[in-house]
Amino acid sequence: DAGITQSPRYKITETGRQVTLMCHQTWSHSYMFWYRQDLGHGLRLIYYSAAADITDKGEVPDGYVVSRSKTENFPLTLESATRSQTSVYFCASSEGETQYFGPGTRLLVL
Amino acid sequence: AQSVAQPEDQVNVAEGNPLTVKCTYSVSGNPYLFWYVQYPNRGLQFLLKYITGDNLVKGSYGFEAEFNKSQTSFHLKKPSALVSDSALYFCAVGGNQGGKLIFGQGTELSVKP
Repeated sequence: DAGITQSPRYKITETGRQVTLMCHQTWSHSYMFWYRQDLGHGLRLIYYSAAADITDKGEVPDGYVVSRSKTENFPLTLESATRSQTSVYFCASSEGETQYFGPGTRLLVL
Repeated sequence: AQSVAQPEDQVNVAEGNPLTVKCTYSVSGNPYLFWYVQYPNRGLQFLLKYITGDNLVKGSYGFEAEFNKSQTSFHLKKPSALVSDSALYFCAVGGNQGGKLIFGQGTELSVKP
């Protein structure tokens, strides 16, 4: 039972490059979420999805793009990475009230 | 708008002593309340939740939380702390928002031998 996985786990990139973070869940949960975690800010919601082909903005969506062509996958793309996007990114999924989190991707933008 | 506050950035407890991690919330309607724990370099793990019913909720690893509607609080408690409980704890509130959660800033719990 793999649950929810994220790849890569660590990524270093340069300003201006496009980066895609992957999220895959094996539970067939309807909802999926992307958060970023920064010191002093806790977790902030970037985007979420209620089902395949349905996505919506969260609290901090600027600079990010998401898609959800399949229920199990929810990739997050930084179209042109900036230093302010250096963070730890968490994906989560849920079917009811409780969200279950992946292990995170630590992204460094130089 | 929904919000949640964790007033303490850090809580220090001696092993064997009871611990409390505080959380207060603001929400219109009936709140869904959650506690998550994060160990270093790991994702968040679900501990417990309050949706409805008994105000005292029991969760994983011996943790419990008490929902207090009049004080709009949902404090996390454990009768006897372990060194292995040292971690970052997040309170979160949700409700009729399509499953979205609002997280507090987190409280670093340190349990010393």
